Amino acid sequence: KQEVTQIPAALSVPEGENLVLNCSFTDSAIYNLQWFRQDPGKGLTSLLLIQSSQREQTSGRLNASLDKSSGRSTLYIAASQPGDSATYLCAVLSGGYQKVTFGTGTKLQVIP
Amino acid sequence: DVKVTQSSRYLVKRTGEKVFLECVQDMDHENMFWYRQDPGLGLRLIYFSYDVKMKEKGDIPEGYSVSREKKERFSLILESASTNQTSMYLCASRPSWDGRYEQYFGPGTRLTVT
Repeated sequence: KQEVTQIPAALSVPEGENLVLNCSFTDSAIYNLQWFRQDPGKGLTSLLLIQSSQREQTSGRLNASLDKSSGRSTLYIAASQPGDSATYLCAVLSGGYQKVTFGTGTKLQVIP
Repeated sequence: DVKVTQSSRYLVKRTGEKVFLECVQDMDHENMFWYRQDPGLGLRLIYFSYDVKMKEKGDIPEGYSVSREKKERFSLILESASTNQTSMYLCASRPSWDGRYEQYFGPGTRLTVT
């Protein structure tokens, strides 16, 4: 059974700092990994998708990497801004039914 | 842009009522999903559908049923609402089972059962 872990559960940083969010998974036979952002009381917004054959993806100030062999992904946020404050979730697509398994998220607060 | 919409943002129902949550996607996606999200438990899959009139149970299907009569619409039904079904319900869709494609989410429905 795939398990996805995100550590830390919460993170507080000053504005302008570069930061890294971590995601680990137990079964390396994945199809893809997706990073989402969730604002309080809202749905999930897709940030980046990394296919199993890829090592990283970039969008603006965001860069996500994938190391399947070690079961890890990181989301790098450059020059953080207060508007980046949200919960960040990673989700892994794997298994016979191609099920998506979510981590429980990292709640990020960027302090002005 | 892909758009996934849900019929209500907030809903308050009484115990024992039959509750319908509607989800519509506008991009001809084959796969649609219903999740619930609870603090400390994360997102859990209730049901999913990979085609019209096709459905599969997820991790926590008890107390729920679904309907997919048209490709764009996926309904979640609480046959007899209970207080432990108070939660945030999220609908999602994806073009197909191909790993190249993202999953897109709706804005969520916050359901309170009293």
